[in-house]
Formats: sequence, structure tokens, C-alpha cells
Amino acid sequence: DQQVKQNSPSLSVQEGRISILNCDYTNSMFDYFLWYKKYPAEGPTFLISISSIKDKNEDGRFTVFLNKSAKHLSLHIVPSQPGDSAVYFCAAIFRGAQKLVFGQGTRLTINP
Amino acid sequence: ETGVTQSPTHLIKTRGQQVTLRCSSQSGHNTVSWYQQALGQGPQFIFQYYREEENGRGNFPPRFSGLQFPNYSSELNVNALELDDSALYLCASSPLAGGLYNEQFFGPGTRLTVL
Repeated sequence: DQQVKQNSPSLSVQEGRISILNCDYTNSMFDYFLWYKKYPAEGPTFLISISSIKDKNEDGRFTVFLNKSAKHLSLHIVPSQPGDSAVYFCAAIFRGAQKLVFGQGTRLTINP
Repeated sequence: ETGVTQSPTHLIKTRGQQVTLRCSSQSGHNTVSWYQQALGQGPQFIFQYYREEENGRGNFPPRFSGLQFPNYSSELNVNALELDDSALYLCASSPLAGGLYNEQFFGPGTRLTVL
């Protein structure tokens, strides 16, 4: 049962343009969502998060949007830079739980 | 400040063997979680340790077991290895268990190959 889904295995974007990564979830008990970035041979690195009481959180070039009614969140990267090329994981957790539930990941490639 | 470290980096085993993976948590962190990341998939939660006791477990069989030591470092043990156990094993540490959301800091992982 895949409770967190990233339906796009890969995404290619031109440098300077906007990258939009999408994530859907099925468990309405999730109340906190995170995005992680992973380079080869490294562990996932926390990027940005959002609580279910908000619909938007912004940190520099990164913005996460949450649509609770659609059980959908997205990560916007503007402008995209070559160093953003990595695998991005969406993750969810609910209060009191011990585990992060991850999506399958989306490989983002930023082309010069 | 030292981050999360894991050893070994790579490991090759054969079916039926046993393996022990090690993790040193980040300074000041008392909680360690283990995840399995199969090829092309996201990490899946195995279990978490807090104060040397298991504090939550994912959908993994009992042949996956762990330990946490007084210095908060941790081991993951897998018995009777199967081919499907081939994966990247990630360790993550966080400052405390319970309460609100405690950011988990991941190590680089151990790549296990079972032949």
C-alpha cells in the first residue's frame, strides 16, 4: 500500500526555469510533510517542510504547496540551477509516529 | 559537529548469511532510525531505537533486528539473508523521540548486495 506517491520518475528542466515536483498521499492522518534531496553516494538531505495547518511554505528558491482536499503537495524550485540535479523524495509523517513514509522519488535533471 | 556515519560503505554477502551494519548518530542525538531503500524506490522504515529500546517497527520480519548502545550508536542485524535484502540501508538520527516532528539526519548508507 503506497501511501505516498510520486508519479513522475524523472523530470528534465532548463536552467533558470521553474521545476515543479509533485506528490500525492492517501492517508488523511498525515499532518506534516517534508521534501528531501539525495545526491548519489549520499544520504537524503532535508530541504523544506510544511505542516498541515498551512498551505504554503517558502525558503529561498524553494516553495512547498499543500492542497489537503486533494491530498496533494508540490515543490517549486525557482530558478532552477544545475546543482539542483538530484533525486527528490516527498515524505509524510503524523503526530506521534516514529516513521517517515517516503514516495518513490523523482530524478530532477537541470539542463544548461 | 560530526554528522551521521555508517559502516561499511559496501558489503557483499551470499544467501543465508548474516550481516551487521553500524551507525554512529550525530552528536547530541539520542534516537536512531533505520530505513531500507531498494533500487528505484523510496526509503522504507525498518525500526527506530530510543534509549536502547525499539520504539516503533515497520513491516519487516523478525530476522531484521537492532541494537542501540549507551553512546546512542546503533547496529542493524539481518539474519538468513535473501536476495531481496539487496538494498541501500540508511540510518537517520534525531534529537529526541515523541513530541513534535524531529528532523531526521541521514547517513550516506550501506550498500548491501546479496548473491
